[in-house]
Amino acid sequence: NAGVTQTPKFRVLKTGQSMTLLCAQDMNHEYMYWYRQDPGMGLRLIHYSVGEGTTAKGEVPDGYNVSRLKKQNFLLGLESAAPSQTSVYFCASSYSDRDRNWRELFFGEGSRLTVL
Amino acid sequence: DQQVKQNSPSLSVQEGRISILNCDYTNSMFDYFLWYKKYPAEGPTFLISISSIKDKNEDGRFTVFLNKSAKHLSLHIVPSQPGDSAVYFCAASSFYGGSQGNLIFGKGTKLSVKP
Repeated sequence: NAGVTQTPKFRVLKTGQSMTLLCAQDMNHEYMYWYRQDPGMGLRLIHYSVGEGTTAKGEVPDGYNVSRLKKQNFLLGLESAAPSQTSVYFCASSYSDRDRNWRELFFGEGSRLTVL
Repeated sequence: DQQVKQNSPSLSVQEGRISILNCDYTNSMFDYFLWYKKYPAEGPTFLISISSIKDKNEDGRFTVFLNKSAKHLSLHIVPSQPGDSAVYFCAASSFYGGSQGNLIFGKGTKLSVKP
């Protein structure tokens, strides 16, 4: 059972380049999230999804797009990377209990992105 | 303005003693609080949670206390072990009625447990 898997683990981009981070979970969770963590900061929510085919903006969505075409995958895209997007990105997933309330988040190991 | 505050960036404790990590919040709509532990180069892992209908939740060596009137929660680790050395994040959300896991995190407290 792999849990939440993120690829790639590391990436260096030049300003203006595009890339996609892939998150895959094998726990059949309904909810998936993308967070970023910067030095001295807590984790901040970028986008999230409450089910296949749905996405919503989080706290810091600008400069990112997401897609959830399959329940197990959540993609985070940077169309035109900027140095301010240098960060560690964490994907997470969670499920809802029988009362349709979400339970705690399970995180991937993180993807370190550097934009030069 | 920070809604979840961890005012101590670091804490050093002797092995076997109690570690107390503190967290304050400002949003009275928060009704669910979680603690996550993070080792370097790994993702955060869930440690313990508490809902606003309780004032204490215990799981082995870990106990979380919630003081709603003070908007304050704390994590107690007893006894502390060197393997507990990590960054601890406090997080808050509205559990019931669904913000679907939109956790608001504090900046974290780095705990060092000395042998």
